[in-house]
Order: sequence, then C-alpha cells, then structure tokens
Amino acid sequence: TQLLEQSPQFLSIQEGENLTVYCNSSSVFSSLQWYRQEPGEGPVLLVTVVTGGEVKKLKRLTFQFGDARKDSSLHITAAQTGDTGLYLCAGPPPPGNTGKLIFGQGTTLQVKP
Amino acid sequence: DAGVTQSPTHLIKTRGQQVTLRCSPKSGHDTVSWYQQALGQGPQFIFQYYEEEERQRGNFPDRFSGHQFPNYSSELNVNALLLGDSALYLCASRHRRGFTDTQYFGPGTRLTVL
Repeated sequence: TQLLEQSPQFLSIQEGENLTVYCNSSSVFSSLQWYRQEPGEGPVLLVTVVTGGEVKKLKRLTFQFGDARKDSSLHITAAQTGDTGLYLCAGPPPPGNTGKLIFGQGTTLQVKP
Repeated sequence: DAGVTQSPTHLIKTRGQQVTLRCSPKSGHDTVSWYQQALGQGPQFIFQYYEEEERQRGNFPDRFSGHQFPNYSSELNVNALLLGDSALYLCASRHRRGFTDTQYFGPGTRLTVL
C-alpha cells in the first residue's frame, strides 16, 4: 500500500500552460517535502511545508499543505521547458521526525516548447 | 558550503559481485540515509545512520549493509549482487535535531548489474 499517492503520474503540456500535481494520503504527516529530479541526478529540495493550510510560493510554483495535513499540491503557473522533470512529494511516516522519508511514485512533467 | 557528495557516479558490476558506495554529508549534518531508486519510481528507504550506528532499516535484505565513520561520512555495501539491484543509489543527509525531516540528497550513484 502506497502511503503517499501522487497524481497524475505523467503530464505533457505546452509551454505557458498551468498545471497542478497532487499528493494525497489517508495519514497525517508532520511535514511534507517537494523535490524535483532531473534524469540521472539526485532530488533537489523545492520546499518543506509544516503547518496545516500553509501556502508557500517559489517564483511560479505554489505549494499548499492541506488543513488536515493529509495532502499537498504543487501548482505551476505558465510552465517553462526548464520545469521539465520528475516531481516527488515525500514525508516522514507517522509519527514523524524519524529521519526516514517515504516518497510518492512521482509525477513526470514534460513541458514542450 | 559543500552539499552532499557521492562516489562513484557510475558503476558496472556482474551478478554475485560486491560493491561499495560512498557518501559525504552536507556540512553540519550528522545523519545519513541511503535510498534506492528504480527507474521512474520514487526512492525507497534502505537505512539510516547516526552516531556510527544503524538506527532504522527499510525492507531490504541483509545483503545491504552500511557503515558511518567518525567524520559522519558513510558507505553502503551490497553483497552477492542481483540483476534487480540495478538502480540509482541516493545518499541524503540531515541534522538529527533538525526541526523538520527535510533531507538533502546527493547526485547519486548509478549501479548497473550485468
């Protein structure tokens, strides 16, 4: 059973379009992280969300943590070809703060020029 | 400020051989975790080390073992390699008393088993 479910698994869009990636769970997480990974490289941390209802912005990327801390979303406005990559959500399995992270399956985003 | 470093970047082995991968954590971090990532999947937790001891372990066989040195660097050893061990091996570091579980990843070692 996958504790973190990401959707969609694949997304192919044109440059300039908007998109949203979802990360859902039936469990409460103390925090969730979003990473972006390019082929053959390690995941690069984008953001950590900690507080239920929290919204964080990173340029054209907007991250939300659900009020109940069971889900999160990543919204990209006006996607660019440089946004192409594998987007991963991750979090510590409850009760949290153990240093172990579990990951969603990832969302592969392709932004076409 | 040096990030997490790993070596080697690529490795090719044959079935039955043994391999050692190395990791240096980000400056100021004392905890190292290792993950295995199959192509197109999210990373899977192998184990975690701090204070030179294995503290947590994921669902991996005893063929996977590790070590942490006094300078916090770490090694991952895999014995009796199987074809299915081919993957990207990632090292991640954090400070054990960090406020969140945020971890910082290295570039990975791509292991191919033939």
